[in-house]
Amino acid sequence: AQSVSQHNHHVILSEAASLELGCNYSYGGTVNLFWYVQYPGQHLQLLLKYFSGDPLVKGIKGFEAEFIKSKFSFNLRKPSVQWSDTAEYFCAAPLGSARQLTFGSGTQLTVLP
Amino acid sequence: DTGVSQNPRHKITKRGQNVTFRCDPISEHNRLYWYRQTLGQGPEFLTYFQNEAQLEKSRLLSDRFSAERPKGSFSTLEIQRTEQGDSAMYLCASSLEGAGSYGYTFGSGTRLTVV
Repeated sequence: AQSVSQHNHHVILSEAASLELGCNYSYGGTVNLFWYVQYPGQHLQLLLKYFSGDPLVKGIKGFEAEFIKSKFSFNLRKPSVQWSDTAEYFCAAPLGSARQLTFGSGTQLTVLP
Repeated sequence: DTGVSQNPRHKITKRGQNVTFRCDPISEHNRLYWYRQTLGQGPEFLTYFQNEAQLEKSRLLSDRFSAERPKGSFSTLEIQRTEQGDSAMYLCASSLEGAGSYGYTFGSGTRLTVV
């Protein structure tokens, strides 16, 4: 079945640590992948998206993600996290019958000051 | 245009009552989506509109749920005879049709608590 999965439910890091959040997808055809972030009390915001071309995608706030087709992965990375990065992060793909976005279960990131 | 607006922000209702939520999308966006999010889960798709036409409904959208988007502008989501299991955050999003349309803009959501 087509799916997007995130296996890290909760990640705790200290400030300045490097971050990598996993996202795996299972579907064929044209691959489009997204990362969204939800800061405490705020709405979902688009961090970055992959449509085609360069597999290394840069987003806002210093985040980047790499599309690795052979691994069916689209992991989110940041070299040095800040306390303000504490949020929930969602990977998503247009898997619906009408290609509406389907979200993973999310990863809660807590950055300790 | 300041983004997608949802009202109310919070709604507490007694089991069995009807509730209605409103979403005002970004004015030039012709696609509008409703999602539901429960604690510890990602948003789950409920339904979407292209202009005024409701084109897709999830199996999550039981007969007690109905959504409308008259004139292709704002949308309403009504839940009839609410149940405790309906307690969740209801999210609205909008997008432009086309290759770049998947950059949804989300509203802040309406949190429903059924007591």
